[in-house]
Amino acid sequence: AQSVTQLDSHVSVSEGTPVLLRCNYSSSYSPSLFWYVQHPNKGLQLLLKYTSAATLVKGINGFEAEFKKSETSFHLTKPSAHMSDAAEYFCVVSDAYNNNDMRFGAGTRLTVKP
Amino acid sequence: EAQVTQNPRYLITVTGKKLTVTCSQNMNHEYMSWYRQDPGLGLRQIYYSMNVEVTDKGDVPEGYKVSRKEKRNFPLILESPSPNQTSLYFCASSLSPTGNEAFFGQGTRLTVV
Repeated sequence: AQSVTQLDSHVSVSEGTPVLLRCNYSSSYSPSLFWYVQHPNKGLQLLLKYTSAATLVKGINGFEAEFKKSETSFHLTKPSAHMSDAAEYFCVVSDAYNNNDMRFGAGTRLTVKP
Repeated sequence: EAQVTQNPRYLITVTGKKLTVTCSQNMNHEYMSWYRQDPGLGLRQIYYSMNVEVTDKGDVPEGYKVSRKEKRNFPLILESPSPNQTSLYFCASSLSPTGNEAFFGQGTRLTVV
């Protein structure tokens, strides 16, 4: 079965510095990979997705992620953090072999310090 | 505006008292699902539905029921809630589960005492 491991439960950065949220996945088939963001007391919003097209995926709010099959990774990055980026981020995998069920990572809470 | 609407947003109930959390989407999506979110566990799927009258268990279905009588609605039913069902619940919909964006409701925070 597919699975996702988010390597950090909490990441803290200063405003204006780069953001790196790490995600490793396990999938027995060509996966689709997603990053979702959850702001406090809000639902989840899609940041970006990979579905076997370009390996470098650009999303909203300046975020991007690179699919690396050899490393089974899909890390999320942003060059310069903004205070409004403080939220919880979820990496998600799905694949056709597993009925396309979405499997969520445990989440990474991003804190941005002024 | 495309949206998934859940009600209620907050609910406190007592053990054993049946409750229903409603979910409605206005995007004509075929695929809908329910998740619960618990600290350190991410979101876990409870039930999903591929279309009207087609539902199936997710990873944590025990203690829950669902129905899909209409395309837009996918209610979650707790026949006899217990304290271990205290959680944050999300409904989601998408065109299909294959590589498509899932749209999430705002969440329902349920407390069972």
